[in-house]
Amino acid sequence: DVKVTQSSRYLVKRTGEKVFLECVQDMDHENMFWYRQDPGLGLRLIYFSYDVKMKEKGDIPEGYSVSREKKERFSLILESASTNQTSMYLCASRTETYNEQFFGPGTRLTVL
Amino acid sequence: RKEVEQDPGPFNVPEGATVAFNCTYSNSASQSFFWYRQDCRKEPKLLMSVYSSGNEDGRFTAQLNRASQYISLLIRDSKLSDSATYLCVVNDGGGATNKLIFGTGTLLAVQP
Repeated sequence: DVKVTQSSRYLVKRTGEKVFLECVQDMDHENMFWYRQDPGLGLRLIYFSYDVKMKEKGDIPEGYSVSREKKERFSLILESASTNQTSMYLCASRTETYNEQFFGPGTRLTVL
Repeated sequence: RKEVEQDPGPFNVPEGATVAFNCTYSNSASQSFFWYRQDCRKEPKLLMSVYSSGNEDGRFTAQLNRASQYISLLIRDSKLSDSATYLCVVNDGGGATNKLIFGTGTLLAVQP
């Protein structure tokens, strides 16, 4: 079974804090993704990575950065958290050759 | 125009009913199509891929109409456990990125 894990299910941070969201997959997938999900807006792609040390901006990268130092790990960084970054954050991974994406359980981040 | 459009619902149906969802997509170059299911406060999971010839998996039937650029999902003999949000997903046409584009979802509530 493919497993994608995220470091926290729930997180509460204060405005201006630096926030790290970690994602690890155990299936040797090349591709990894970070989304946020908000009511009425669906899943929106923040950043993705097709290989180690490689990253590409998604549709809403502003206010975020990422790091992929190892194939199995993809981190999302909020340099200075703001209240409008309160959301559900979902990590996903997939192989190069097949489109099915496997999601982690999500991190519900609240920024006060 | 949204890249992937779905009726948000909710669709409230009695147990045993047949229900159908449609989804339209805007990119004629899209080549891969999926239905994902998302339970409340859980991550999305692949329900089924959608093939040009149509495909069936038990009580679920998916159809693709490339000419009209829409995808459908039919659920027969609805169960209480079918209650969830159903996400229509298409790829962005491939090329260098091959990202998946998610619809905002259709909420199904099956009533006893």
